[in-house]
Order: sequence, then structure tokens, then C-alpha cells
Amino acid sequence: GAGVSQSPSNKVTEKGKDVELRCDPISGHTALYWYRQSLGQGLEFLIYFQGNSAPDKSGLPSDRFSAERTGGSVSTLTIQRTQQEDSAVYLCASSLGLGFEGTQYFGPGTRLTVL
Amino acid sequence: AQKVTQAQTEISVVEKEDVTLDCVYETRDTTYYLFWYKQPPSGELVFLIRRNSFDEQNEISGRYSWNFQKSTSSFNFTITASQVVDSAVYFCALRPSSNTGKLIFGQGTTLQVKP
Repeated sequence: GAGVSQSPSNKVTEKGKDVELRCDPISGHTALYWYRQSLGQGLEFLIYFQGNSAPDKSGLPSDRFSAERTGGSVSTLTIQRTQQEDSAVYLCASSLGLGFEGTQYFGPGTRLTVL
Repeated sequence: AQKVTQAQTEISVVEKEDVTLDCVYETRDTTYYLFWYKQPPSGELVFLIRRNSFDEQNEISGRYSWNFQKSTSSFNFTITASQVVDSAVYFCALRPSSNTGKLIFGQGTTLQVKP
């Protein structure tokens, strides 16, 4: 079946602009995660959605970052007023749940470059 | 503290050599899950294996094997008879039961297999 898909694959933007990154999880997966991978910080958790529960936003680095998940499926990560330090690869993952089924499968990522 | 340490930043071997990637974790949770992911040059994180804290049985899958030892908080990964296609960055990750399912990643080990 289809894996996690993300769009766009690459995004170049100017400092101060807003960007939206999209994630389509694996069909049937109730949990969705966003991570960021950068050279200096490695792989960092950003935000987590599980069903209708309140999302875990504990990893968002600032209030310029937000995310939503519509209809329990597609998710959009929005970065407002982008800064150069936001340049990174943004990875989305999904899983069936939290228990033993909680293996996270990752998408190909969106490479964000802020000029 | 909850942490994963992959002390080996880079490893270079010649094809057909065996290589072991080290992973040491820290958590106070008694229930947790450990994972290994592979990130080839294409960039997508590929799931390799999952282990829960109650299952210390070692596992072998083809040329891959994993040694989980709770006594030393280690979850090491061995590739037997390495091949050029094994060249990638390998990440070890911890998912304690006390959090919402987010993965705590090590810094990764870059493996280069030379022909």
C-alpha cells in the first residue's frame, strides 16, 4: 500500500514569509507525528496527533510553528515569518497507535531552505 | 533523563567485513520500545526493527542482528558481511511509555562500506 507522502519535496522561501508543509499519512493510521532534522540538532520531535485527542505540541520551537490535522487524516505544518534557522528537513510519520502497533513509518520529508 | 547515545559518529569498513553499531539508552520507564532506522542517501527513514523492554531475545534477520541487553541499557546492531548498499546513516530511537509516543533519537552513525 501507499506510504506516507509529503509535499512539497523541496521549498525555498525568503526570510519572513510563511510556509505550509503537507503530510498524508498511511491510510488507517490514527497517529501522526512531525519531526525536524537539521545538521546541528539531529532529529527532533515537533508535534503529535492521536485521533480526537488534544495534540502534543511540546516540541514546537516557537509560536511561529503550528500544525493541524483535518478529518483525522491529512496534516499541515505551518511556519510563520520564517527565519534562516528554520532551514531543515521536515519529516512526517504515522502509526497505527501507541502500543506495539506504534511503529512509526516516515515520509520522504520536505527540505525547507530559508534564504 | 531520557536519552539515546550513539557514540560512533562515522564508521568506515570494507565490503564483507562485519560491523557493529552501538546504541545506549537512558530511561526511568520500565516499559519502553527501542527502534533502529536506516536513512540511505535518498533521505527517507526506513524502519528496521522494534523491540519492547520485556523482550530481551536477540533477533536475526538475514545479515542483520540485534543484541538487546537491559543490564547495560544497550541495543546494538550488527551487520554481517557488509555490502556497499548498507552505506547509510543508522539511527537508534527510544520511545518510553510515559510520553505520547514521540521518538527520542540518537545522533546517528554514518556507515560507509567501501568496495
